[in-house]
Amino acid sequence: GQSLEQPSEVTAVEGAIVQINCTYQTSGFYGLSWYQQHDGGAPTFLSYNALDGLEETGRFSSFLSRSDSYGYLLLQELQMKDSASYFCAVLIGGYNKLIFGAGTRLAVHP
Amino acid sequence: DTEVTQTPKHLVMGMTNKKSLKCEQHMGHRAMYWYKQKAKKPPELMFVYSYEKLSINESVPSRFSPECPNSSLLNLHLHALQPEDSALYLCASSQAGQGTNYGYTFGSGTRLTVV
Repeated sequence: GQSLEQPSEVTAVEGAIVQINCTYQTSGFYGLSWYQQHDGGAPTFLSYNALDGLEETGRFSSFLSRSDSYGYLLLQELQMKDSASYFCAVLIGGYNKLIFGAGTRLAVHP
Repeated sequence: DTEVTQTPKHLVMGMTNKKSLKCEQHMGHRAMYWYKQKAKKPPELMFVYSYEKLSINESVPSRFSPECPNSSLLNLHLHALQPEDSALYLCASSQAGQGTNYGYTFGSGTRLTVV
């Protein structure tokens, strides 16, 4: 089976930096993805890491350590619109099987 | 076109009804997915289609029946559902191929209520 762990809630202020961690246990691991979902909206793809290291896309960065079965999403220069749920998700096996973690609810305050 | 379109957006059905959810994409993606999402929970994988063939069924009850008529369309046929099946049903698509993940594109979902 698979298991992913991430914090249930994170609170931060506008302009700050926040890191959301994700640890996973799974067989057939291919890579780690991050998705954002606003209340009432669809999940939106943020990033994907297949290899160890840091991937940067604008204000968002994602990191993966395969040896530690660990990754994180780093959000910089937080804005109110970043208040949403953030899911880490593992890609498993050879059949595009993407399994989501429970999600982290980020609240950004003024 | 970079969207996944799902219809209807809302659906209320009785436990004896038969209904279908529809999903369409024109991004040339050859992998398509159905997920179920309950409130304040993560999306839960139901089915994966790769090159129009069913490749994964996550032990979904037979009252849910997927269909992929062509590379752009994905349907989910519903029959004899239970109230606990009420949820947001999300369709997604992506490029296919082993280990590839250029990101899934999700539709806005169909909010299903079973009465």
